[in-house]
Amino acid sequence: AQTVTQSQPEMSVQEAETVTLSCTYDTSESDYYLFWYKQPPSRQMILVIRQEAYKQQNATENRFSVNFQKAAKSFSLKISDSQLGDAAMYFCAYRSVPNDYKLSFGAGTTVTVRA
Amino acid sequence: NAGVTQTPKFQVLKTGQSMTLQCAQDMNHEYMSWYRQDPGMGLRLIHYSVGAGITDQGEVPNGYNVSRSTTEDFPLRLLSAAPSQTSVYFCASTRGTSSYNSPLHFGNGTRLTVT
Repeated sequence: AQTVTQSQPEMSVQEAETVTLSCTYDTSESDYYLFWYKQPPSRQMILVIRQEAYKQQNATENRFSVNFQKAAKSFSLKISDSQLGDAAMYFCAYRSVPNDYKLSFGAGTTVTVRA
Repeated sequence: NAGVTQTPKFQVLKTGQSMTLQCAQDMNHEYMSWYRQDPGMGLRLIHYSVGAGITDQGEVPNGYNVSRSTTEDFPLRLLSAAPSQTSVYFCASTRGTSSYNSPLHFGNGTRLTVT
């Protein structure tokens, strides 16, 4: 399985501020997909954003954006204008395109939003 | 629109007992999988299936069995529960081979405690 590393177990952000979550991965493949999932206290896994490795343009979904650095094997998530509802655990995940549908997950980062 | 349905939501077992976690999806997804979530370890793949009648092992398959008799259902069986199987279990599904960027759709999870 691919190795996905999230080096920040916890992050705290003031409401309306910006927070960046880091993710690095180890792979020898050139084509793959990367995902960020959000898990609020309800335990539900919610897709936040996805990135295709062969696309150089960074993906954006409303207040969520990524900084994809393919050479550095880095895939960070930026949450802008943080809201109380953003409080959750965030997981970075990797999927190999030519292989199958198995996802390799990082250990997760817990985000706390201060009012 | 039910999506992925998991039952039960909570379960307590004694060591040595067996049980089946149920998973059903109504999206005609070919791929289904089971993950377990443990603190500090993210989600790890237990078993997966690429279609009815086809199953394969993931990263942590020991102590678990699966079968896929229909496209809709993918039950996970614990043969003889052990305290090490205390975890939160997720079922997830996605479309078939033409949709590599299709995200996983997750059920709401089952919290299992083995005493």
